[in-house]
This record gives sequence, structure tokens and C-alpha cells, in this order.
Amino acid sequence: SAVISQKPSRDICQRGTSLTIQCQVDSQVTMMFWYRQQPGQSLTLIATANQGSEATYESGFVIDKFPISRPNLTFSTLTVSNMSPEDSSIYLCSVEGYRTTSSGRADTQYFGPGTRLTVL
Amino acid sequence: QKEVEQDPGPLSVPEGAIVSLNCTYSNSAFQYFMWYRQYSRKGPELLMYTYSSGNKEDGRFTAQVDKSSKYISLFIRDSQPSDSATYLCAMRDFGNEKLTFGTGTRLTIIP
Repeated sequence: SAVISQKPSRDICQRGTSLTIQCQVDSQVTMMFWYRQQPGQSLTLIATANQGSEATYESGFVIDKFPISRPNLTFSTLTVSNMSPEDSSIYLCSVEGYRTTSSGRADTQYFGPGTRLTVL
Repeated sequence: QKEVEQDPGPLSVPEGAIVSLNCTYSNSAFQYFMWYRQYSRKGPELLMYTYSSGNKEDGRFTAQVDKSSKYISLFIRDSQPSDSATYLCAMRDFGNEKLTFGTGTRLTIIP
């Protein structure tokens, strides 16, 4: 398993400002993921971040709005730029991993605790 | 139509009851099915993982997959107050790391 920490755990920001969220993993991983979790909606993948390459963004998400850095195999940042109240959400990072189950190896993702963002 | 549909609840049941949580999906390419449990102000954690159709049991939890109906279920026996959480189904296709999640069902077990 992987232990993931995120900073900040929560923040209240003003419209038009930017916030950078940090994600730290206790082991080296190739793939890191950034998700958004809005009330009443599915956990939605924003982008996949591989170390040494540009992040891959999902439909509806663009680099100008959500720039991502991945400087090494244990760390990533997501910036929410030019925020509006619609960006109020929980942002989570996750990493690839696996668990050993009674059926064998199960590929999965381990999630951080999330960053709760409120934009006024 | 969403790729994965899940009743958001909330669902409240008395302690000791059997809980049934369900998801339906439309993408027949999905091969791997997971249930995550998310406590308040925490990230989701993997609870159950299944690949094929049929049942998989782990303690008080049973995951059921019916690929022909594109329907998955999670059963919780002898439910406990500590089971109170949001349960999210998730699935992915072969060779793809991307997970597609349901909206999650908020479950409360009443002592």
C-alpha cells in the first residue's frame, strides 16, 4: 500500500485567485492521478501525471486551468487557476498500486485524504 | 446517459441488517469492478475487487457481478455503525488505468 498526504487539507479562496495543492507519496510511483469530487457527482478524473512527461488531461479539463507538475516519483502539484465558485470541490490525488487478495493481485489506486476547496 | 449509475441515497438501516448497494453500467468493455469505501473527510479506500461474473466474499462483505446485465452489487451482512460511510463503485477496462466511478451511496447504520 502507499501512504499519501495532501496539503492543504482545506482552504477558502477568493474568486480570481489560484491555489496549488501538493501531493506527497511515501514510495516511488510512476503514475499519479488528480480527481475532483463535487457534491452529488462522481469522482471525476482531471488528469494523469507521469514523471518526466506532460500530464494527460481528460475531456473538459485543460492545462491552463489545472496546470500540473510532477518533478519526481514521489511528488506532484495541481494548481486551480483563476478560481470561480464552480471550482469549489474536493480535490484528491491518487497513485497506482496493487493489493494481494484471495484471488491474486488486484490493481487499484490509493487515494490521498483530499483537499476541500471553497471559492467565494 | 452516464457510464456508471449509482443511487446516491442516503440509505439508513438499523444495526445488524443486510445492506445491498448497486451499480449499473453501460460500457461492456469494463472488465474490473471495485467497491471503495470513503469515510467523511477521508480519501476512498479499496474494499472489494472482482474480475469475473459471480460472487466474491470477504468477511461480512460480498461483491457480486453480473456482466450479462451490466449490474454489480455489494452486500454487507451484520452491518455495524462503523460501516457508515459513502460507498463508491468503480470499474475499468482491460489495460486501462483509468477508473470510472459511480456517484457513491451514502450509508448510515443506526445503532
